[in-house]
This record gives sequence, C-alpha cells and structure tokens, in this order.
Amino acid sequence: EPEVTQTPSHQVTQMGQEVILRCVPISNHLYFYWYRQILGQKVEFLVSFYNNEISEKSEIFDDQFSVERPDGSNFTLKIRSTKLEDSAMYFCASMPTGRTGELFFGEGSRLTVL
Amino acid sequence: SQQGEEDPQALSIQEGENATMNCSYKTSINNLQWYRQNSGRGLVHLILIRSNEREKHSGRLRVTLDTSKKSSSLLITASRAADTASYFCATFVNDMRFGAGTRLTVKP
Repeated sequence: EPEVTQTPSHQVTQMGQEVILRCVPISNHLYFYWYRQILGQKVEFLVSFYNNEISEKSEIFDDQFSVERPDGSNFTLKIRSTKLEDSAMYFCASMPTGRTGELFFGEGSRLTVL
Repeated sequence: SQQGEEDPQALSIQEGENATMNCSYKTSINNLQWYRQNSGRGLVHLILIRSNEREKHSGRLRVTLDTSKKSSSLLITASRAADTASYFCATFVNDMRFGAGTRLTVKP
C-alpha cells in the first residue's frame, strides 16, 4: 500500500543550524502539507503546497521556514537557524485530489534542537 | 481559531466499555474528519462526515455531526486495549486544522 515516507526519523542539531526535513508523498497525490507537534501537544498546521507553490501558511510558518518540491517527488521543509522551541515532531501529509479529503500522514521526523 | 477542540482531554476506560469523544468547532465546514495517533506515530484517518450528514458508521466507530451546534462526537463501541491512542478531529476551511486531541486509555 502506498505510503508517505519521511527522513530522517530523528535529527539532533545545534541551535542556529539549518535543518532540512524530507518527505516523499504518495505518487499521485496533488496536495502536500507540513504539520508540527510539540511533545504532548496539538498537531499544528504549518503550510500547504499545491501546483508547486504555497497554498496556505500559518502564523507559525515565518521567514525561518521554507518548502520546496525540487524534483517532482520529494517535498522538503527547511528550517533556517533553528531555535530551541523548534524541537518537535514534524509530519508530512499528502492528499490525492480536492482540498477537503483524507490526509495521509508520514511517521514524522523528530527534531531535537540543543 | 478555526480548528476543532476535543473534549475530554483524557479518557480512561475498561476494555469492553464504550468511549465517547466530542469535538467543537467555530466556523462553517465542508466536512469533519477524525484521526487517530498512536504514541509517537503519524496520524491515521478514521472517518469523514460531510456537512449534510448527521451520522456515519465504520465498524465499531460511530460519528455524529450537529452543524447547528458546531459539534461532532466519536463513539468507539466495545473498546479494546489496542484502541489506546490520541484521537483528533479535523476541520477544513482554507486548510486542514486539528484540535488538541483526546487521549484515550483502554485498560485490559
């Protein structure tokens, strides 16, 4: 069964470093999302991406963050100059068609900023 | 905020009992979805109910939707220890947003 895959599963970085989290969405899906979950807290929307551009972004998704789909399969989230409070699980999700259907999530990338 | 908010925050029951979780939201919706998250794992879609539906069933899951009250409930019947997880409702307006979740513990 097709699935969303995310790498790395866990990354430890020093404050101020840049991090790139990678996602391979399900191949025929058109809408892509990044969510963040600080330990034990709610799943927070970061950004949605469609047709090679950002559709929506939340107030969390500031200039520190960027997304791109460099090669038609990977979908990356870049965090520039990480802060301690960026420590969280980052989930990628994709949706086949229409913006209101079922989201398929990856298993997440745990980011620890020291 | 447009996301759903679940209630209660935590629920502990014995195996075999029913579990009911509630979700309230603030804006008009196209549909409402419920997801499950096992500890430290990705979310898994359980069920979607459209705004023109009042009730939907899937196996041991029953979801209701009351658009006049902007609320939904998820009922898990005959719960099992394996149902232990966090359950989130999600609503879509311009994007899909999740509530804080209900942490369900089912004791064997």
